[in-house]
Amino acid sequence: EDQVTQSPEALRLQEGESSSLNCSYTVSGLRGLFWYRQDPGKGPEFLFTLYSAGEEKEKERLKATLTKKESFLHITAPKPEDSATYLCAGAGGYQKVTFGIGTKLQVIP
Amino acid sequence: DGGITQSPKYLFRKEGQNVTLSCEQNLNHDAMYWYRQDPGQGLRLIYYSQIVNDFQKGDIAEGYSVSREKKESFPLTVTSAQKNPTAFYLCASSIGGGDYGYTFGSGTRLTVV
Repeated sequence: EDQVTQSPEALRLQEGESSSLNCSYTVSGLRGLFWYRQDPGKGPEFLFTLYSAGEEKEKERLKATLTKKESFLHITAPKPEDSATYLCAGAGGYQKVTFGIGTKLQVIP
Repeated sequence: DGGITQSPKYLFRKEGQNVTLSCEQNLNHDAMYWYRQDPGQGLRLIYYSQIVNDFQKGDIAEGYSVSREKKESFPLTVTSAQKNPTAFYLCASSIGGGDYGYTFGSGTRLTVV
């Protein structure tokens, strides 16, 4: 059975304090690893897709990386507006996407 | 702007009642999905549809039904057979098989009263 595990469950950072969120996965025949941002009471917003180990993608203060077992979402010099829950998901077989529970990030001014 | 519209934002259901959640997209995506989100759990797939007039059960389809009469629309009915319907429901769409990620709607919060 495919599994996606995110850690930590919650993370509190001071504004400007860089850190990383972890996503460990066991997804058979990984076709893509996704990161989403979800604000309270809203639907997830797509951030990145990573397809192969070694791949990296960046968007503003966020950088996502992928190895054969893990993905990391690095947040550089975060701002309060980066506060959200970040979801990781792995696409295995056809139409089979497994989501993690998410990491709730709070950035304090 | 292209996107997915879910309505209503909040919905209250009485015991034994069927309710229907609306999902409309103008992205011209072929595939549409319904997910359920509960605290402490990852998103779980209820139903998905690749083309009009065809849909497939996901991991937790019991107590739910869907239709896909138009490419743009994928409504979800929560029936009285669903014993624990209180949750946040998310509709999504994608190009092809979802390998490029999903576009999600803003969600419907369903509460049993």
